[in-house]
Amino acid sequence: EAGVAQSPRYKIIEKRQSVAFWCNPISGHATLYWYQQILGQGPKLLIQFQNNGVVDDSQLPKDRFSAERLKGVDSTLKIQPAKLEDSAVYLCASCLPGENIQYFGAGTRLSVL
Amino acid sequence: GQQLNQSPQSMFIQEGEDVSMNCTSSSIFNTWLWYKQEPGEGPVLLIALYKAGELTSNGRLTAQFGITRKDSFLNISASIPSDVGIYFCAGPPRGNEKLTFGTGTRLTIIP
Repeated sequence: EAGVAQSPRYKIIEKRQSVAFWCNPISGHATLYWYQQILGQGPKLLIQFQNNGVVDDSQLPKDRFSAERLKGVDSTLKIQPAKLEDSAVYLCASCLPGENIQYFGAGTRLSVL
Repeated sequence: GQQLNQSPQSMFIQEGEDVSMNCTSSSIFNTWLWYKQEPGEGPVLLIALYKAGELTSNGRLTAQFGITRKDSFLNISASIPSDVGIYFCAGPPRGNEKLTFGTGTRLTIIP
């Protein structure tokens, strides 16, 4: 069974630029999450989707971050414009509805210079 | 917000030694999950616990769901070099579906 796929693996941008990350969850997993993991910390939830609907985006900085999952499968997370403090690993995870066990992708490491 | 405190923050041990780490919360949890994260990778689930007092093993790893439901423990026996990584506890606090992650325990093994 293929795992959660994320791309790109690494991205380096300058502050005020835009960046987008892509995630393809495990087949059949209706629930998809985006996390931000700052160096030395645990993952912090940004947004949760159930199919193509947003369940929880209370921790998403909506002035600069946006995410979508238009067809209920793949998802993209965008930052526009990026700030220095956005440097982190962005993790995507998926799980079956109603389950607590989340499966993570390898993440995208973002460096904002 | 909810915080899970893990200790120790880091460990430096010799290959072959046993390892113990724990995770504590101010809230009751219904599920405890232990993940391992290696450099450049996402967290990988090691063990899931669903009942207070439950003791579950996965090879050389053993985890326990604390009786108070506010803590959990992870033990690794006879450590080997590939055990290196950061170990995170996680769980949804009672009444909340969101996963909260602990602060992590970084394990380094000296050959």
